[in-house]
Amino acid sequence: TQLLEQSPQFLSIQEGENLTVYCNSSSVFSSLQWYRQEPGEGPVLLVTVVTGGEVKKLKRLTFQFGDARKDSSLHITAAQPGDTGLYLCAGHMDSNYQLIWGAGTKLIIKP
Amino acid sequence: EAGVTQFPSHSVIEKGQTVTLRCDPISGHDNLYWYRRVMGKEIKFLLHFVKESKQDESGMPNNRFLAERTGGTYSTLKVQPAELEDSGVYFCASSQEDRISVSTDTQYFGPGTRLTVL
Repeated sequence: TQLLEQSPQFLSIQEGENLTVYCNSSSVFSSLQWYRQEPGEGPVLLVTVVTGGEVKKLKRLTFQFGDARKDSSLHITAAQPGDTGLYLCAGHMDSNYQLIWGAGTKLIIKP
Repeated sequence: EAGVTQFPSHSVIEKGQTVTLRCDPISGHDNLYWYRRVMGKEIKFLLHFVKESKQDESGMPNNRFLAERTGGTYSTLKVQPAELEDSGVYFCASSQEDRISVSTDTQYFGPGTRLTVL
């Protein structure tokens, strides 16, 4: 049983479209992180959200942490081919250093 | 500054053999983590070192896996004897000690070692 359910698993859209990736749980997380991973490389941290209801923006990427700290979303506006990659959510529970991961969303942006 | 490095990048071994994976963390990082991604599944935590001490090894699958971090620098993860289900990508990550909040712990990942057990 996965603690963090990430959806969709795969998304292929045209350049210029908007998209949202979701990360949901029935458990409370002290923080949620979003990573991007390229082939042959390790995950690279994009953002950390800590407070319920928090919204962070990174250029065309908007990250939101649910009010109850059980879910998070990543929204990309006007997607570009350079956004293609594997997006992963991961979180900390309580005061535990170990990260709990979603299965990832493989995103392809077609020119 | 060099990032987290892992060696080898790929390893193909036969069932029953032994393999040792190495991780060199970012210099000065006290925290070192091992994670594993089995094909089709999510990344899963294996264990966490603080300097040379095992802080949390709750994710280690069984006693065929042995992790060490002598001197609090690099770490090794040995699998002996390897089984088919051990195949996957093994990631190492490191972070600075953050006594303020676990939530802001930023882990930097290596490129991973792809292990194939035949």
